[in-house]
Amino acid sequence: EAAVTQSPRNKVTVTGGNVTLSCRQTNSHNYMYWYRQDTGHGLRLIHYSYGAGNLQIGDVPDGYKATRTTQEDFFLLLELASPSQTSLYFCASSGLGAYEQYFGPGTRLTVL
Amino acid sequence: TQTVSQSDAHVTVFEGDSVELRCNYSYGGSIYLSWYIQHHGRGLQFLLKYYSGNPVVQGVNGFEAEFSKSDSSFHLRKASVHWSDSAVYFCAVEGSNAKLTFGKGTKLSVKS
Repeated sequence: EAAVTQSPRNKVTVTGGNVTLSCRQTNSHNYMYWYRQDTGHGLRLIHYSYGAGNLQIGDVPDGYKATRTTQEDFFLLLELASPSQTSLYFCASSGLGAYEQYFGPGTRLTVL
Repeated sequence: TQTVSQSDAHVTVFEGDSVELRCNYSYGGSIYLSWYIQHHGRGLQFLLKYYSGNPVVQGVNGFEAEFSKSDSSFHLRKASVHWSDSAVYFCAVEGSNAKLTFGKGTKLSVKS
């Protein structure tokens, strides 16, 4: 089964803080995604990538940067965190297309 | 741009009952449709997908979904639910650009 890991699992920071969320997949998938999940909104796509060095803008990119350093690793960066970015963040990967994605366990981020 | 609508935020049934979770989509081109399950505190897990061919597709744990182009629907069904099926279910559609758009989810509660 596909394996996607995320770190940290929980993170608390203050407004204006700098946060990096990490994601690694070990399935040689080309596509990787970052989502946020909020009550009443479901999952919303922040950024995604087709491969190392590639970055595509998602549906809610404001306030987020991302970088895909290798086939396996995809990072989400919040350089000036705000309370509105308090959320549950999921990373996912897929091989053949977006419709069959494998999700990590999530990172709960709290911005005070 | 594709959209997904899950009309029921909550569905409650008894163990052994059948259930149908509704999903309607809008997209003008060829699409992939998927269902995912999210147990409490976990990441999403892929259940099943449809792209073409037989409009009834089978997934894991006895779930199936039926595609209808005329109704723009992709409803998920299970003939006899178990308490462990209690979870949030997400319908998703992939359109262009390898992006998935998720519905807001339906929380299924199975009572014993």
